[in-house]
Amino acid sequence: QAVVTQEPSLTVSPGGTVTLTCGSISGAVTSGHYPYWFQQKPGQAPRTLIYDTNNKHSWTPARFSGSLLGGKAALTLSGAQPEDEAEYYCSLCYSGLRPVFGGGTKLTVL
Amino acid sequence: EVQLVESGGALVQPGGSLRLSCAAFGFTFSDHYMDWVRQAPGKGLEWVARIRNKAESYTTEYAASVRGRFTISRDDSEYSLYLQMNSLKTEDTAVYFCARAGSGFFDYWGEGTHVSVSS
Repeated sequence: QAVVTQEPSLTVSPGGTVTLTCGSISGAVTSGHYPYWFQQKPGQAPRTLIYDTNNKHSWTPARFSGSLLGGKAALTLSGAQPEDEAEYYCSLCYSGLRPVFGGGTKLTVL
Repeated sequence: EVQLVESGGALVQPGGSLRLSCAAFGFTFSDHYMDWVRQAPGKGLEWVARIRNKAESYTTEYAASVRGRFTISRDDSEYSLYLQMNSLKTEDTAVYFCARAGSGFFDYWGEGTHVSVSS
């Protein structure tokens, strides 16, 4: 049983908005789980988009944002672009700040 | 420019050993925690191990799935991270990525090295 849960797949229209979520089977996700969001395209290494719930790296497009929403961590993409089609992973930290990754969400821009 | 380059991946028989390396460029390696993360074919990401910096006494942590079989280490003078993998199992087959902790964990990733465990 997966500890960290994500939607297996989502579809968004070009220019549209979509929210991906990251839940924990042990209860509500908080900032103390230090949620991270990663983007991975086929054949490439992951790229970290969001760290510690809502912090962006210099390379994170402005259209991505992180938050806590309804007891889960959330990644919102506003104004989807074709190049945003990818697998998105979240991670949460549990004891000793050991990260656990979710199973990933395959995002289709169509 | 920050760069991480993994090497050492290979085909190995079950029960065998392998040592992965990660060469770091473009930053002061000794300042940073470092991690290994793996990805089995067609599967998601799995955190493997972490080593902290000298200030934190190079303490290490491991995922339950590899504890007792894998050892993470580093040589700050060589700007290198290592993963010694012993008693390899078929389920260890994966691409292994090294990642730096800077602005949060995993701020930079290498391109990965392939490990295949098969008879």
